[in-house]
Amino acid sequence: QVQLVESGGGLVKPGGSLRLSCAASGFTFSDYYMSWIRQAPGKGLEWVSYISSSGSTIYYADSVKGRFTISRDNAKNSLYLQMNSLRAEDTAVYYCAREEAAPASWGQGTLVTVSS
Amino acid sequence: DIVMTQTPLSSPVTLGQPASISCRSSQSLVHSDGNTYLSWLQQRPGQPPRLLIYKISNRFSGVPDRFSGSGAGTDFTLKISRVEAEDVGVYYCMQATQLRTFGQGTKVEIK
Repeated sequence: QVQLVESGGGLVKPGGSLRLSCAASGFTFSDYYMSWIRQAPGKGLEWVSYISSSGSTIYYADSVKGRFTISRDNAKNSLYLQMNSLRAEDTAVYYCAREEAAPASWGQGTLVTVSS
Repeated sequence: DIVMTQTPLSSPVTLGQPASISCRSSQSLVHSDGNTYLSWLQQRPGQPPRLLIYKISNRFSGVPDRFSGSGAGTDFTLKISRVEAEDVGVYYCMQATQLRTFGQGTKVEIK
């Protein structure tokens, strides 16, 4: 079955960097668009970025544009999110999701805390 | 940017009774390919979100048929025909016609 496992979260100081990973299994990873979506503590869902199956098409939310970079390695069945210049408001659980006209399958998420 | 507005934000319901959530978008969600990319997701307490409905009215794999979606253009509705205890959680509408935007969420709880 579809499995998505995020990793790489943790505590980082404002202005710092972090790289999230999402390991995919149970499906042909290279066939699907993938997204990162986040949820601040006690808040709603916020879409962050998505990447096409080949990696040729990428979009970002305005809130992260210029600071975050999404990428994928289809040979390793992995999705990444490089996060630079982190701010307190980036504190959230970050989910990766497989896209099928909507975020159809989700991982359990990884918590990123930005605090001094 | 497309703004998604859900009503109500909180919905106390009686077990076995119906529930309904509305979602309105700030502009039409009809894509140039003719599809309307409006989805509904459920998030139970302590769990990641789960896709219920995609493209207005299509139930995702494994979703019970008591969940149904309807609407067109800018106005959409999620209905639960008979609420069960496992339906407690927060429900989000989401558009994927132009990037992605989520509604604020509607908390469904048992009276």
